[in-house]
Order: sequence, then structure tokens, then C-alpha cells
Amino acid sequence: DSGVTQTPKHLITATGQRVTLRCSPRSGDLSVYWYQQSLDQGLQFLIHYYNGEERAKGNILERFSAQQFPDLHSELNLSSLELGDSALYFCASSVDSGVPNEQFFGPGTRLTVL
Amino acid sequence: GNSVTQMEGPVTLSEEAFLTINCTYTATGYPSLFWYVQYPGEGLQLLLKATKADDKGSNKGFEATYRKETTSFHLEKGSVQVSDSAVYFCALKTQTGGYQKVTFGIGTKLQVIP
Repeated sequence: DSGVTQTPKHLITATGQRVTLRCSPRSGDLSVYWYQQSLDQGLQFLIHYYNGEERAKGNILERFSAQQFPDLHSELNLSSLELGDSALYFCASSVDSGVPNEQFFGPGTRLTVL
Repeated sequence: GNSVTQMEGPVTLSEEAFLTINCTYTATGYPSLFWYVQYPGEGLQLLLKATKADDKGSNKGFEATYRKETTSFHLEKGSVQVSDSAVYFCALKTQTGGYQKVTFGIGTKLQVIP
């Protein structure tokens, strides 16, 4: 158990809909990262938040957005869903003390868009 | 930009065979290097890391050495077990002005047969 929690575990929805994925980082971790893992694209970095502020953006679509709240949990919002958005979405957290360190991954949310 | 190149899988080995999974990278600055493992149905877990040239990361019988001259971080294990069957991701992290960027390889699936 990494200490990072993600809800829900599974999500099935239809095209055009909007969903919200939730992540709670490890206690004491200020950084939250979101990743998308799909069969054809591998693991793609989406976005990084540190202590409530956006720090870096990766291959995140404009239909997707994220935020980190004062209690440090984070939400990833996916809207106007398309079939190709079906994937595993992982959240990871790290202490981010200013030196490179490891990220701890949650179990992921499996999104299926029908 | 940063990139990580891993050998494509799947890699199929018999139990107790020697394992090498190649990983090379391109990066600006001085990255930290990581191997993550993803067991079936689970999130990614850090397997080992190295933060500077010539460092050797090791864990659970796996090891990898940070080779700056060849920009490589190959994963090795002397004797694999069936329980090592998983997907292995090589990753690098760079930090510039407080901004972290993590780049993953595509992942290499390892299948160990009894």
C-alpha cells in the first residue's frame, strides 16, 4: 500500500459525459501528479500540482483539467469524453522537498467510455 | 526534450534465468533515474533509483547502474522468479527552477514461466 488513494476504482460512462477522479496523496506529500495509461500510448504525464499550484503540464487535453485543494487532495476533471479517453488514470504523490525523489502511485482509476 | 527508450517486450524467460531490460535516455541537465514495476491489476511501485552518475540502485535482487557515458540505466536480475512477472518502466526526472518533469519509457512486459 503506497498510501495514495484514488476513487473510484472503476468508472463506466458514455461519450460526451463529464467525470471527476479523486486522489488523496500520502500524508505529508505536497506534490500530486496525474498520469494516463492507455494501451497504445503507454504512461503519459498529464499535470503536476504542488501545494495547490500548478507546476507543470504534460500531454493534457484542453477537455481535461485538474486542481489541488487546500487539504492537498486533487481532482482530475475529464469532460466531453471520447472513446479514446478510456484508460487507467494514475495519481502519484511525492514529498517534493526540492531534490529529486520518488513518486508513490495510487492504484489507479479505470475509466471506460462507451 | 527528455526521452526514455526501453526495449520492447514482452520478454519471456524461464525461472532462474538472467534478466536484462535495456533503458537509455536523453535529458537536459542531470536527471535522476528510476525503475518502476507494475504488477497485474496494480499501480506502479518504485523498484529502485539512482540520483547521480555511477550510482547503483538495488532492490529485491534487481539492480541498475547509472551510466552517464552511455546514458543508460539497464535493469538486471541474476535469477528471475515467476513472481517477477510484471511490466517494468524506466523513468527519469529532471528539476529546473523548482519545476519537476518526469518522463517514462513505454514499459517492458516480463513473463517468467516455471
